[in-house]
Amino acid sequence: SQQGEEDPQALSIQEGENATMNCSYKTSINNLQWYRQNSGRGLVHLILIRSNEREKHSGRLRVTLDTSKKSSSLLITASRAADTASYFCATVPTDKLIFGTGTRLQVFP
Amino acid sequence: NAGVTQTPKFQVLKTGQSMTLQCAQDMNHNSMYWYRQDPGMGLRLIYYSASEGTTDKGEVPNGYNVSRLNKREFSLRLESAAPSQTSVYFCASRTRELATDTQYFGPGTRLTVL
Repeated sequence: SQQGEEDPQALSIQEGENATMNCSYKTSINNLQWYRQNSGRGLVHLILIRSNEREKHSGRLRVTLDTSKKSSSLLITASRAADTASYFCATVPTDKLIFGTGTRLQVFP
Repeated sequence: NAGVTQTPKFQVLKTGQSMTLQCAQDMNHNSMYWYRQDPGMGLRLIYYSASEGTTDKGEVPNGYNVSRLNKREFSLRLESAAPSQTSVYFCASRTRELATDTQYFGPGTRLTVL
């Protein structure tokens, strides 16, 4: 079974709004990563947060990690229509990544 | 750099036919992975190769075999295709140098088994 579960499964917002996606996982991890997938394409790495970090920023992305709750969140600020995609968390317990089921984000102009 | 390349992009097979999906990376990465993605689902790991000469099963290895031909190439073989193997297949390579841990994905192979 998959390690990560994203919530919500789907999210629709207007341009300029913030989008928050959550990821819960089951076992201890070395790091947690977020990826983006545009329709029909391969995944693209967005950001990594290590197990000893609590928050990380990259441009309009903010990731938090709570290892006690085994959860992470991805915040996209000031969203744009081009942010429309599916977003996946991937946990790294050992030498392989385990992907969640993803959140489909739709940003309307 | 081309990154991760996959061939073919599309394939239609009949039940029982065999085929090999090819993957190559030019980033000198040690680790390579094969995933399948079914509609509305995340990626499930089929097989991976942590380094040249080694391969290990992932979450859904049944019905598949792999070959790590050299450091660049990692192929996935379906010996006797079944309709349940209809999916999009992604290959990825991984770097874990210094503070980085990133997987780079190919564009995918869309496989239909009739």
